[in-house]
Amino acid sequence: DVKVTQSSRYLVKRTGEKVFLECVQDMDHENMFWYRQDPGLGLRLIYFSYDVKMKEKGDIPEGYSVSREKKERFSLILESASTNQTSMYLCASRGQINNSPLHFGNGTRLTVT
Amino acid sequence: GQQLNQSPQSMFIQEGEDVSMNCTSSSIFNTWLWYKQDPGEGPVLLIALYKAGELTSNGRLTAQFGITRKDSFLNISASIPSDVGIYFCAGRGRNAGGTSYGKLTFGQGTILTVHP
Repeated sequence: DVKVTQSSRYLVKRTGEKVFLECVQDMDHENMFWYRQDPGLGLRLIYFSYDVKMKEKGDIPEGYSVSREKKERFSLILESASTNQTSMYLCASRGQINNSPLHFGNGTRLTVT
Repeated sequence: GQQLNQSPQSMFIQEGEDVSMNCTSSSIFNTWLWYKQDPGEGPVLLIALYKAGELTSNGRLTAQFGITRKDSFLNISASIPSDVGIYFCAGRGRNAGGTSYGKLTFGQGTILTVHP
């Protein structure tokens, strides 16, 4: 089974802090994604990466950056956390084969106070 | 960008009832997917649809890819308490300029509550 592991289930950070959300997958997938989930808005794509050191903006990249130094690890960075970034963050990965499904981690619930 | 409208936003039903939810899109999709998210976990794929008109079942779940390619529905028959969760539709369009890498667009989710 594919395993996508997010390092923290819950995080509480202060406004202005730099925040790192880590995600690791064990299936040698090329593509990795960061989404945020908010009630009534579904899942919105923040950033994705299709290869090591490659990244592309999703639909809501403002206030975020990412890092993909190794194939199995995709990090989401909040340079200066703000209260409107309080949300559930979901990491996902998928293989290169066309139409291969997304596999999600269990999410990190981030609260910014 | 592409938008998906998923309805209803929430449903409260009795155990044993059938459930129906749907998604409509402002643009054409080549793939429709249905995911379920249990409380405290990430979404898990239920059904994938790849051809217009396709009707696919997975146990008590049935999903269809609309012939216009702009809609899909999910039915759950004879609901049980463990069907509780959030159901998401997702669509994947064509790669635009070879760089979209099959991005998925998600609906807003349908929150399902099943009363025993």
